[in-house]
Amino acid sequence: TQLLEQSPQFLSIQEGENLTVYCNSSSVFSSLQWYRQEPGEGPVLLVTVVTGGEVKKLKRLTFQFGDARKDSSLHITAAQPGDTGLYLCAGAAGSARQLTFGSGTQLTVLP
Amino acid sequence: EAGVTQSPTHLIKTRGQQATLRCSPISGHTSVYWYQQALGLGLQFLLWYDEGEERNRGNFPPRFSGRQFPNYSSELNVNALELEDSALYLCASSLVAGGNTEAFFGQGTRLTVV
Repeated sequence: TQLLEQSPQFLSIQEGENLTVYCNSSSVFSSLQWYRQEPGEGPVLLVTVVTGGEVKKLKRLTFQFGDARKDSSLHITAAQPGDTGLYLCAGAAGSARQLTFGSGTQLTVLP
Repeated sequence: EAGVTQSPTHLIKTRGQQATLRCSPISGHTSVYWYQQALGLGLQFLLWYDEGEERNRGNFPPRFSGRQFPNYSSELNVNALELEDSALYLCASSLVAGGNTEAFFGQGTRLTVV
């Protein structure tokens, strides 16, 4: 059972555009992480959100955790080619300690 | 501070052989997680070790096994390799404290079964 659903699955945009990636679940998460992965490498942790309604900013990236801690979003402002990559959300539901990952959003930013 | 390190970076095996993958966690981290990322698929949870014990395993057959050593490093063993086992195998480590579930990943081992 896929606990985390990400959308869109693929996104191709021009440099300078804004975009939002969504991560939704029917489960409540104690915390949720966002990762970015380059081809052939391991995912790199971008941010952890813990509190319902929390908003975190990392330069041009804004992360939000839903009030009910069941969903999250990643917004990128003025995307750049260097933002290209696979964005993954992940969280641990219930008593589980291991992370469950969403299917990922493959972002391509064209110059 | 060194991150999570995995070896080898690439491994080629023939069907039916055994593969052993190794992982060294971040210093001070006691938990090690193994994930499989097949082409076109997301990260699938394989195994979780903490303090030398297997704490949980994903929906994989018993030929996927592993262990964690007293220094918290870990091995993943895959027996009777099948073509479908070709994937990027990722190791992550975390410090299990309170509700913290942050995990930091290594660069992965690319296993190819021919």
